[in-house]
Amino acid sequence: GQSLEQPSEVTAVEGAIVQINCTYQTSGFYGLSWYQQHDGGAPTFLSYNGLDGLEETGRFSSFLSRSDSYGYLLLQELQMKDSASYFCATPNSNYQLIWGAGTKLIIKP
Amino acid sequence: NAGVMQNPRHLVRRRGQEARLRCSPMKGHSHVYWYRQLPEEGLKFMVYLQKENIIDESGMPKERFSAEFPKEGPSILRIQQVVRGDSAAYFCASSPTPNQNEQYFGPGTRLTVT
Repeated sequence: GQSLEQPSEVTAVEGAIVQINCTYQTSGFYGLSWYQQHDGGAPTFLSYNGLDGLEETGRFSSFLSRSDSYGYLLLQELQMKDSASYFCATPNSNYQLIWGAGTKLIIKP
Repeated sequence: NAGVMQNPRHLVRRRGQEARLRCSPMKGHSHVYWYRQLPEEGLKFMVYLQKENIIDESGMPKERFSAEFPKEGPSILRIQQVVRGDSAAYFCASSPTPNQNEQYFGPGTRLTVT
């Protein structure tokens, strides 16, 4: 089966950098994605890692280490609007996208 | 280019009634996925459909739940004889290919069963 673990909550200060970790257990690996979800809103795609290394998209970066079954999402220059839940997700061999339980990011001024 | 559309946004049903949730994928997308989300939890996969075909419904309860994606019109998630435990947010997502790594989500339907 597939499972992903991520911290339930992370707190950071506006303007700082925060890292949200995700470890996974999978039978077969097809990449790791990150989604952002504001309260009451829909998940929005942030980034995807299919290979080891860092992917950068503006203030957000995502990293993957397949040998460690580990990835993280890095958010820089935090803004209050970044307060949201962040989910890592990975597909299984049946095209199902399996999600972590989410990390609630709380940003303090 | 409109995104994924879902309606209604909010739906209230009494126990025993039927709930019909609609999803129109993004233009050019023929792959649709339905998820359920309870408060403070991640999304749980329910069903994956292509036009006129159910590809994987392993995440959907065998009873009372059904889904379709007809040749014309939106995808429908149907819940018969709703119970309080069905109260949740139901999200639909679409993609242009079976690539699971980037899906586009609709705004969701919040179902409340009273």
